[in-house]
Amino acid sequence: AQRVTQPEKLLSVFKGAPVELKCNYSYSGSPELFWYVQYSRQRLQLLLRHISRESIKGFTADLNKGETSFHLKKPFAQEEDSAMYYCALSTNAGGTSYGKLTFGQGTILTVHP
Amino acid sequence: GAVVSQHPSRVICKSGTSVKIECRSLDFQATTMFWYRQFPKKSLMLMATSNEGSKATYEQGVEKDKFLINHASLTLSTLTVTSAHPEDSSFYICSASRRSGTEAFFGQGTRLTVV
Repeated sequence: AQRVTQPEKLLSVFKGAPVELKCNYSYSGSPELFWYVQYSRQRLQLLLRHISRESIKGFTADLNKGETSFHLKKPFAQEEDSAMYYCALSTNAGGTSYGKLTFGQGTILTVHP
Repeated sequence: GAVVSQHPSRVICKSGTSVKIECRSLDFQATTMFWYRQFPKKSLMLMATSNEGSKATYEQGVEKDKFLINHASLTLSTLTVTSAHPEDSSFYICSASRRSGTEAFFGQGTRLTVV
């Protein structure tokens, strides 16, 4: 069975500092990895996916299959980045790959002014 | 576009009663919808996958007779918690995927409290 681990429940940084939210996964096949973000009082929304290799709001994440990691990084954190971040994995089962997700426990990021 | 709405946002029901939660895709057709449950300070746990016009597929450990899922149209899926008990109190979240899309869009969630 697949598993996603986010070792940090809480992460605090100051504005302008680099931030890295860790995510490790276990899955025997070829996974698809995502980062979702949930701002205060808002619904969960997709931040980025590894397959598109995009940068959203300054965030990037590289899939490292050797280390089975998909850490989320941003060189200069902003106060508006404060939110809950979830790493998620899809096993591409039955064509519903992007909907059937296994989530990590989430990391609450707080960016202080 | 791609808005998913859940109703109600909050519901309180008495132990032993049933409660229905709706998940609607407002501006797109969703062939597949997913139901998650989130315990306090825990992650989201997938409960079931709902495909329009067919029976839902439940994850291991989820009681299908307890959590009835119906996906009668391309824009609506419902989750009915039958004979609810206090331990069913939780945050229930749905997501929906377009017929040929690659992203699942999430509803705002429903807070169920069973007293």
